[in-house]
Amino acid sequence: DAGVIQSPRHEVTEMGQEVTLRCKPISGHNSLFWYRQTMMRGLELLIYFNNNVPIDDSGMPEDRFSAKMPNASFSTLKIQPSEPRDSAVYFCASSLTGGPNTGELFFGEGSRLTVL
Amino acid sequence: QQQVKQSPQSLIVQKGGISIINCAYENTAFDYFPWYQQFPGKGPALLIAIRPDVSEKKEGRFTISFNKSAKQFSLHIMDSQPGDSATYFCAAIPGGYNKLIFGAGTRLAVHP
Repeated sequence: DAGVIQSPRHEVTEMGQEVTLRCKPISGHNSLFWYRQTMMRGLELLIYFNNNVPIDDSGMPEDRFSAKMPNASFSTLKIQPSEPRDSAVYFCASSLTGGPNTGELFFGEGSRLTVL
Repeated sequence: QQQVKQSPQSLIVQKGGISIINCAYENTAFDYFPWYQQFPGKGPALLIAIRPDVSEKKEGRFTISFNKSAKQFSLHIMDSQPGDSATYFCAAIPGGYNKLIFGAGTRLAVHP
C-alpha cells in the first residue's frame, strides 16, 4: 500500500516567492498533520485536520502560512511570501483516529525547503 | 513551548551495548507515549508505544519503562546494532486529542 505522499521532495526558491507543498494521506485515514523540522526547534506541529476540518492551527507561525484540505485525499501547505527562516523539512503525516492504533502517525518522506 | 523534555541530545554506544534515552513530561493529561525512529532523509516512524497503565513494554530489543509518579519514561535498546543508528523522538498525546507532541530528539550512533 502507498504511504503518505509528499511533493515536491526538494524546493529551492528565493525570498518573497510563494511556496506550495502538497500531501496525499493514506487512504482511509481521517486525520492529517503538518510538521516542520529544523535543527534548532526539532519537530513542530503546525496544523492538524480531522475529517478535513482544521482542528488546531496554533502552531502556524504567522499569517504567511496557510493550509487547506479540500478533500480527504489532498492537503496543501502554502507559504506566501517565503523567507529564509522558513527553510526546513516539512512533513505531512496521517492517522486513523479512533482505530486500534490510535496515536500512530504515518509520516511522508518530507519536503525539504530552502529559501535563499 | 516544549512539553516533553528529552535527553541526551546525542549518544554514542558500542555495538552490543545498551542505549538509554530519557524523557520527562509535565502535563498529566498525556495518556499515550510513543517513540519514533527517524533515519536520515526519511520521516519518523513509530517504534514502540506505551500507555500509563503499564510500567514497562518490551518489543524485541526495545523496551519502554514508564514511571507515572515521576512523569518520566525511557527507551532502552538492548544489544545495540549499527543499524539502530538514527534519531529517536519520544512523544506524548493528551487524552481525547490526536495531537502528538515530540521531544527534541536524540541522535544515536552505534559504533561497530
